[in-house]
Amino acid sequence: EVQLVESGGGVVQPGGSLRLSCAASGFTLTSNYMSWVRQAPGKGLEWVSATFTDGRTFYADSVKGRFTVSRDNSRNTMYLQMNSLRGDDTAVYYCSKDWVDWGQGTLVTVSS
Amino acid sequence: EIVLTQSPGTLSLSPGERATLSCRASQSVSSSLAWYLQKPGQAPRLLIYDASKRAPGIPARFSGSGSGTDFTLTISSLEPEDSAVYYCQQRSNWWTFGQGTKVEIK
Repeated sequence: EVQLVESGGGVVQPGGSLRLSCAASGFTLTSNYMSWVRQAPGKGLEWVSATFTDGRTFYADSVKGRFTVSRDNSRNTMYLQMNSLRGDDTAVYYCSKDWVDWGQGTLVTVSS
Repeated sequence: EIVLTQSPGTLSLSPGERATLSCRASQSVSSSLAWYLQKPGQAPRLLIYDASKRAPGIPARFSGSGSGTDFTLTISSLEPEDSAVYYCQQRSNWWTFGQGTKVEIK
């Protein structure tokens, strides 16, 4: 059974950093297309990043240069390193496999 | 960036009625369009991909149609559990979502 579990969310001050994790089970992370999507409180869905099986990763303009995706193959886990955080980065962050399977999300709050 | 505009904003219908949701793209996305539903506190769930293909496990009452810039999600006979926000997503040029249509069951 495919399972995705996000963690690492929390409260961080503007300008700070946070690293989110997406632990995968039931499949091999590197053999699948993975993405991060976020949802600000009460708002719609926003694509954040997409990682292909060859490792290429693309980012939304809103996070380019500040967010970085990486993978730990031994842990079958994907990470989203978020730097220079701003108030408009406050959201629930979801990881997804092939847009079909989704985690439960982790909340990031950027506030002083 | 391709902008997706969904209408109506809210749809309030009774069980058994037919729901028609619209998604219009600012430029052609061919058939690279998907639909999701999202219930409060839950992750999105894929319903339709490639404009008209049902995702695994999705009931037949959900159907998608359209190509180019105009797309429709139809729920043929509403069930109480269909109450949710529905999003369209284009996959033609990067990935963007519409703003959502809320479906309320009377």
